Order: sequence, then structure tokens, then C-alpha cells
Amino acid sequence: DAEITQSPRHKITETGRQVTLACHQTWNHNNMFWYRQDLGHGLRLIHYSYGVHDTNKGEVSDGYSVSRSNTEDLPLTLESAASSQTSVYFCASSEGGTVREQYFGPGTRLTVT
Amino acid sequence: GENVEQHPSTLSVQEGDSAVIKCTYSDSASNYFPWYKQELGKRPQLIIDIRSNVGEKKDQRIAVTLNKTAKHFSLHITETQPEDSAVYFCAASRTTSGSARQLTFGSGTQLTVLP
Repeated sequence: DAEITQSPRHKITETGRQVTLACHQTWNHNNMFWYRQDLGHGLRLIHYSYGVHDTNKGEVSDGYSVSRSNTEDLPLTLESAASSQTSVYFCASSEGGTVREQYFGPGTRLTVT
Repeated sequence: GENVEQHPSTLSVQEGDSAVIKCTYSDSASNYFPWYKQELGKRPQLIIDIRSNVGEKKDQRIAVTLNKTAKHFSLHITETQPEDSAVYFCAASRTTSGSARQLTFGSGTQLTVLP
């Protein structure tokens, strides 16, 4: 069955380290998104991509980067992890074209100490 | 950009009663309004959505209403059950020439159904 996966599911890292969170989907969706979820803030968009080699900044993109080299993957990199980036990160994907349902991955809980 | 406000942040109801969650949006061009349910420790999942060309949509015990003039939309859950306990998120988006496919989410409502 087609699915969307994230790895790792849990990560503890130290301030200043570079961290990469993986997102992989097998639906062949053109659109992929990264969100962070913090209590009281809901889901906030970090970066998104509408296709290979396309990336766009979202509402809270500072300190994060993404690259899209193929349809299936959109890795999220924290260049220099900060304690403020402790959060739960969700990847999502959707079909191309007009707005459609977004399918979320299981999430990655990141703790920056 | 779009701003979505959601109320209340927490809601407790007795089993069998109805629950209503309300959202307002700022961008009058928004035309797609989904609702997601997130159970504890799980991923958000779409439960219902509405587009701006309709005013109401129902799916069994859940319904969504949209008032474009006032720029608000609501989720209605009737005959609530314990398994309805979760965090519910509203969202808004607009489509122009096939672009702008990102969603702006509200801050969420923790619904608790008391037995």
C-alpha cells in the first residue's frame, strides 16, 4: 500500500548540531510539506515543494532548509539546531493541481538540548 | 497572508451531546476549508472539507457550515461518542491558477467527550 513515512521517529540532539529529518512517500504526489506542531500554535508550515527541484518558504522557515531531488523524498535540515526547534515535525503530501487532501506522516519528535 | 483563528481551545461535552467548533479566516479569496482530527500521539487525518461554492456539507454525525460573507466556518459533531475525543484543526486555503496549495491551520481544539 502507498504510504508516507518519516525517520527517525524520535531524535535527541545538541544545540548547534546539524540534523536531517527524512520524509518519504510512495503515492507519487507532486506536493510535499513540512510542518512543526507546538502546543497552542497548531500546525505551522516550514517549507513546501510542488515538484522536483521546487522549494518554497513557509511561515516559520528560519533555520530550516529542504531540497527536492526526486518525487518521493523531501528531507528537512536544521542547519544549527536550537532549543526553540524542539517540536514535533510532520511531513505531508498531496496530489498536484488544485487543493486536495494532505496526507500526513507519523511525525518526528525532536528534542534539542 | 492568511490568518485562521479557532475557538474554543478546549471543549468538554457529555456523551450524546453536540459539539461545535468555530473558525474565522482573513483572506476573502480562500476557497477550500478542511477539518483534521488528531488523536493523541497520532497523525492528523482529514475528516471533512468544504469548498466555497457550497454552504453546508454533512457526513453522518459530522457537518461543516461556511459563511463566506462573515468569513467563518464551523464543525458540528452530533451524538458525540468517547472516540470523538481528539484535537480538531480547521484550515483554509485558496487556489489561483492551480497554485497556492498550502494550508493555513487554526491553533486546534481539544475536544473531550465525557462518559
